[in-house]
Amino acid sequence: DVKVTQSSRYLVKRTGEKVFLECVQDMDHENMFWYRQDPGLGLRLIYFSYDVKMKEKGDIPEGYSVSREKKERFSLILESASTNQTSMYLCASSFMGTNEKLFFGSGTQLSVL
Amino acid sequence: QKEVEQNSGPLSVPEGAIASLNCTYSDRGSQSFFWYRQYSGKSPELIMFIYSNGDKEDGRFTAQLNKASQYVSLLIRDSQPSDSATYLCAGGEDSSYKLIFGSGTRLLVRP
Repeated sequence: DVKVTQSSRYLVKRTGEKVFLECVQDMDHENMFWYRQDPGLGLRLIYFSYDVKMKEKGDIPEGYSVSREKKERFSLILESASTNQTSMYLCASSFMGTNEKLFFGSGTQLSVL
Repeated sequence: QKEVEQNSGPLSVPEGAIASLNCTYSDRGSQSFFWYRQYSGKSPELIMFIYSNGDKEDGRFTAQLNKASQYVSLLIRDSQPSDSATYLCAGGEDSSYKLIFGSGTRLLVRP
């Protein structure tokens, strides 16, 4: 079975802190994604990567950056956390190509105080 | 702005009934559609995908796509309490990595 592992299930940070969310997949997927999920807003794409060291902005990239140094690992970075970044963050991966089935991690509930 | 619209629900149906979940989309360029199920506190999992007009059946699930009407639906036959979850509709263009998700419809199946 495909496994997408997110490093933390719950995280509490202070405003202004630099936050790292880690995601690792074990299926040799080319594509990796970071979404945030908020009540009533559905899933919104923050960034995605279709290859090592490649990254593309999603719909809401402001305040975030990403890193993909290895194929299996995709990190989301909040440069200076703010309260409006309190959310559920979901990592996903898929095979090469567009419109492929997404496999999601279990999510990280981030609270910024 | 490309959008996928879903009624938030909850849609409440009795056990054994057919649950009908609907989704409309604004982007005529969308070619592929996905239904994800998300249990409370869990991550989404794919249950159906459809690329062509018409119906696609998989067990108790049937996905329906009408590109002319920009309408996608998911039918769940013989609904079970274990089907109670939020169902997310998503659409994408063939040339894009981006899926546009709806906000989801919450389904409650009453025993």
